[in-house]
Amino acid sequence: DVVMTQSPLSLPVTLGQPASISCRSSQSLVHSDGNTYLNWFHQRPGQSPRRLIYKVFTRDSGVPDRFSGSGSGTDFTLKISWVEAEDVGVYYCMQGTHWPWTFGQGTKVEIK
Amino acid sequence: EVQLLESGGGLVQPGGSLRLSCVASGFTFSSYAMSWARQAPGKGLEWASLISGTTTNTYYPDSVKGRFTISRDNSKNTLYLQMNSLRAEDTAVYYCATDPRFGGSYFGPGTLVTVSS
Repeated sequence: DVVMTQSPLSLPVTLGQPASISCRSSQSLVHSDGNTYLNWFHQRPGQSPRRLIYKVFTRDSGVPDRFSGSGSGTDFTLKISWVEAEDVGVYYCMQGTHWPWTFGQGTKVEIK
Repeated sequence: EVQLLESGGGLVQPGGSLRLSCVASGFTFSSYAMSWARQAPGKGLEWASLISGTTTNTYYPDSVKGRFTISRDNSKNTLYLQMNSLRAEDTAVYYCATDPRFGGSYFGPGTLVTVSS
């Protein structure tokens, strides 16, 4: 199975400041169809996961543009240009290129 | 508005069986691959199964292969997960979800399955 490794696992942030989460895969996420199926999800306590970004950098409808995704191959990054209070929770990267699809361990974002 | 609503969770003894259902609305159900994801208490997320839209090809991770069966009834807009030979490590919230690789990713609120004697 493809192993997804996130860092850091805990990220205390100051409101209004930027934040960045790294995600590395154990093998290339470029699919034979040419797409790279790397997603980012956000989960608040007691809630279902919500997808923020798919195919590396495409934001979902309603996701603020302070969220951006980048990367290629095996190295990917989620950036929050400035953190707001509603951004707390756990962020997961997830690959959909190789079955079984796999998630990273999660990065817990909290306000300092 | 897309809605997914799971049901069928509960307490079951090790070795027992349970069948989860997920009723979908707000989109053309038969056109989309569907999946089940799960999350053990306080842990991360894991995909438990996947089924294609019309060809009904199915996929499972090794952790559930041979024990779980995913199926769908497109006439009822309903997804199912038959879980047999349940183990303590299958204890989790089970989410019904659309295919997350493309536009419009949705999860249901989840249903809790507890495997314990």
